[in-house]
Amino acid sequence: AQSVAQPEDQVNVAEGNPLTVKCTYSVSGNPYLFWYVQYPNRGLQFLLKYITGDNLVKGSYGFEAEFNKSQTSFHLKKPSALVSDSALYFCAVRDRGNTPLVFGKGTRLSVIA
Amino acid sequence: DTGVSQNPRHKITKRGQNVTFRCDPISEHNRLYWYRQTLGQGPEFLTYFQNEAQLEKSRLLSDRFSAERPKGSFSTLEIQRTEQGDSAMYLCASSSSPGTNTGELFFGEGSRLTVL
Repeated sequence: AQSVAQPEDQVNVAEGNPLTVKCTYSVSGNPYLFWYVQYPNRGLQFLLKYITGDNLVKGSYGFEAEFNKSQTSFHLKKPSALVSDSALYFCAVRDRGNTPLVFGKGTRLSVIA
Repeated sequence: DTGVSQNPRHKITKRGQNVTFRCDPISEHNRLYWYRQTLGQGPEFLTYFQNEAQLEKSRLLSDRFSAERPKGSFSTLEIQRTEQGDSAMYLCASSSSPGTNTGELFFGEGSRLTVL
């Protein structure tokens, strides 16, 4: 069965500093990996995905994520955090069959001005 | 832009009552998913449809829960004899079939259920 671990419940970062939100996964075979963001009282919004190819994928709002197969990780990064990036971030994984997406517990990112 | 629409957005009910939520997916999407999200947790898969066929149900989906997608368009999720433990946000998402995409889901804003 596939699973996702987000080891940090909360990440605090100063505005303008780089941010990293960690994610590790477990799946049979090669994964499809996703990051979603959830703002208060809003639905989950897709940020980026890794399917194949370049291990560094770029997404919306200046976010990027690096796929590391040996460490089974897919950490979300941004070079310079904005206060408006403060939200709940979810990592998700599925295998290459028809299985539904499995989500992590989420990490709350707080960017402080 | 017609994204995924869910209603009602909020429902407060008394224990033992039945509730029904509706989801209207993105029109060209043939897959529709229901997830449940409780405070401090990520979305947990409940069930999904491809067109009108219900292809998978989670063990989380007790026999008090039933979902339908009768014409392959909108879907309903009914909870019978609600319990306080059913209080959660019920999320609907849609996608085109994996043959044409890689499984990215488009979510609605959710229906929040509070059982008193």
